[in-house]
Amino acid sequence: DAKTTQPTSMDCAEGRAANLPCNHSTISGNEYVYWYRQIHSQGPQYIIHGLKNNETNEMASLIITEDRKSSTLILPHATLRDTAVYYCIEDSFGNEKLTFGTGTRLTIIP
Amino acid sequence: GAGVSQTPSNKVTEKGKYVELRCDPISGHTALYWYRQSLGQGPEFLIYFQGTGAADDSGLPNDRFFAVRPEGSVSTLKIQRTERGDSAMYLCASSPGGTGGVEAFFGQGTRLTVV
Repeated sequence: DAKTTQPTSMDCAEGRAANLPCNHSTISGNEYVYWYRQIHSQGPQYIIHGLKNNETNEMASLIITEDRKSSTLILPHATLRDTAVYYCIEDSFGNEKLTFGTGTRLTIIP
Repeated sequence: GAGVSQTPSNKVTEKGKYVELRCDPISGHTALYWYRQSLGQGPEFLIYFQGTGAADDSGLPNDRFFAVRPEGSVSTLKIQRTERGDSAMYLCASSPGGTGGVEAFFGQGTRLTVV
């Protein structure tokens, strides 16, 4: 079973920052937080991952709380193409299985 | 293209038949994964290969499911005596190798329908 909890769905206006929360209250010291997204009719796409420091790449930023029990994925300027299901996954580095939950369905509103 | 390729994209088969689903990973990627996704659910892990060997097949639901990767590149997922409950999207992913699932690149999937 997935060890993270996410809201079922969210809306965000186009051009605004989309902030997707994730709770991982049972995360252990060697477990990373990964984010993937799945656009309709496509396979999942890796977005970003982190351990305890905030991370940023060309797609998104990941903010992890100091106690590591929750995190937020930030899409700084959401576009219609960001409409997708976003999965937050907690997993040990070196563990080859990604355990997906049901994710957050993000809809970008024009 | 340079991505993970899965064929066929769609497969309709009759209950009881045998099917094979093919995955061509990204060239040079030593790790290969199979997942299954039912409607409205997230992908569910089936099996992971490192090179030619199945390093973890704990997600295979029963002995009707089998996967091979004989030369460490292309993989085939084989389902015997298909059942209607096997209907799902079957996803393949690859990664550079032993990196713990980070940046796994997924294919577009094969949608299997058992009638």
